[in-house]
Amino acid sequence: GNSVTQMEGPVTLSEEAFLTINCTYTATGYPSLFWYVQYPGEGLQLLLKATKADDKGSNKGFEATYRKETTSFHLEKGSVQVSDSAVYFCALTRRTSGSRLTFGEGTQLTVNP
Amino acid sequence: ETGVTQSPTHLIKTRGQQVTLRCSSQSGHNTVSWYQQALGQGPQFIFQYYREEENGRGNFPPRFSGLQFPNYSSELNVNALELDDSALYLCASSPDSGGAYNEQFFGPGTRLTVL
Repeated sequence: GNSVTQMEGPVTLSEEAFLTINCTYTATGYPSLFWYVQYPGEGLQLLLKATKADDKGSNKGFEATYRKETTSFHLEKGSVQVSDSAVYFCALTRRTSGSRLTFGEGTQLTVNP
Repeated sequence: ETGVTQSPTHLIKTRGQQVTLRCSSQSGHNTVSWYQQALGQGPQFIFQYYREEENGRGNFPPRFSGLQFPNYSSELNVNALELDDSALYLCASSPDSGGAYNEQFFGPGTRLTVL
């Protein structure tokens, strides 16, 4: 079946540090890949997405590249801010299952001033 | 444009009771999906409704059921509540059921506690 594995958290960084959150997936075919963010007390918000191999999704300084050869979609940001503190979820959909999302476990990010 | 709304925000029930959670989809969206998010876990897909019909179901027992209404709002019903049903229940709407590329817009969730 489909699955998503994220690096274990929590992750604590100082402001302006470089961020990497690892995500690998297992799925047949060519899934679409997503990063969602969940701020405290809120629902999920789409951060970025990529729908085919070698696509790069980007938003708000975050980037992730769809790597089919390594089945990965790692999230990166060059300089994090305190306001980036949240839980980040990697997720996938497959064309045969429509918009049904399969999520990873989530990674808690805390950025200290 | 109004986003996805859910009610109630919080709910406390006892084991064996029944609960109904409600979701209003974003304007123009005909598809609603429900997810269960246990504490410290990623959301798990429960089921999806498209134009008032169930359109896919995750690995949840039949005591989890749902409805979608002509205005595309939706309900999630859970019978015979168990302690493990304690979770954040998320509703998400999207403009189409079949698009794997379509963004899903999530509501803030309903926090259910079963005692």
